[in-house]
Amino acid sequence: EVQLEESGGGLVQPGRSLRLSCRGSGFTFGDYAMSWVRQAPGKGLEWVGFIRRKGHGGTTENAASVKGRFTILRDDSKSTAYLQMNSLKTEDTAVYYCTRIVVALSAPKEVSNWFDPWGQGTLVTVSS
Amino acid sequence: SYDLTQPPSVSVSPGQTASITCSGNKLGNKYAYWYQQKPGQSPVLVIYQDTKRPSGIPERFSGSNSGNAATLTIRGTQATDEADYYCQAWDTITAVFGGGTKLTVL
Repeated sequence: EVQLEESGGGLVQPGRSLRLSCRGSGFTFGDYAMSWVRQAPGKGLEWVGFIRRKGHGGTTENAASVKGRFTILRDDSKSTAYLQMNSLKTEDTAVYYCTRIVVALSAPKEVSNWFDPWGQGTLVTVSS
Repeated sequence: SYDLTQPPSVSVSPGQTASITCSGNKLGNKYAYWYQQKPGQSPVLVIYQDTKRPSGIPERFSGSNSGNAATLTIRGTQATDEADYYCQAWDTITAVFGGGTKLTVL
């Protein structure tokens, strides 16, 4: 069974840093891009960013709201992706979900990637 | 930036058909995806590539996408379908989610 498990959430003061981890199991972790999506309390889903698989350069893309503050990393030997969050703000308070990106190798439309499955999420609270 | 717009809420009677729309500029040129999120749970993919259902998703869930709107349709809606539903698309390398629709079965 394909599973993702996040860890590392908690209470942190504004301006401080926190690193979240996402461990995958049940699939070949290195064959997939991985993404982070967050959900503020009572709000909708917000994409945070993703990291490509090593075969595609292992590069990252981030949402404008976190660019320059958040970094996504991966260690395929540990089947783990990370979200390094620096200069945290109160508005970063959210449940952070890790999700695998599934890619369709051939499809009529240009971009055919979807998020499946999702982890259970880890809560990050930024407050003084 | 690219925006996806969903109605905040939709209500349906048990056994009836629920339709949730997702609007975006030329959305039909992109793939639309739909995720279901029940209270206290993580999102679950219910439709990918506009119309396809992942294994384990009931046949009563279907999707369409053309022009400027995608639609998630649930036929024979059950009480267990009560949840928040989010559409999603890609704006080149950026994933975009709609604001979500709360489906109430009453």
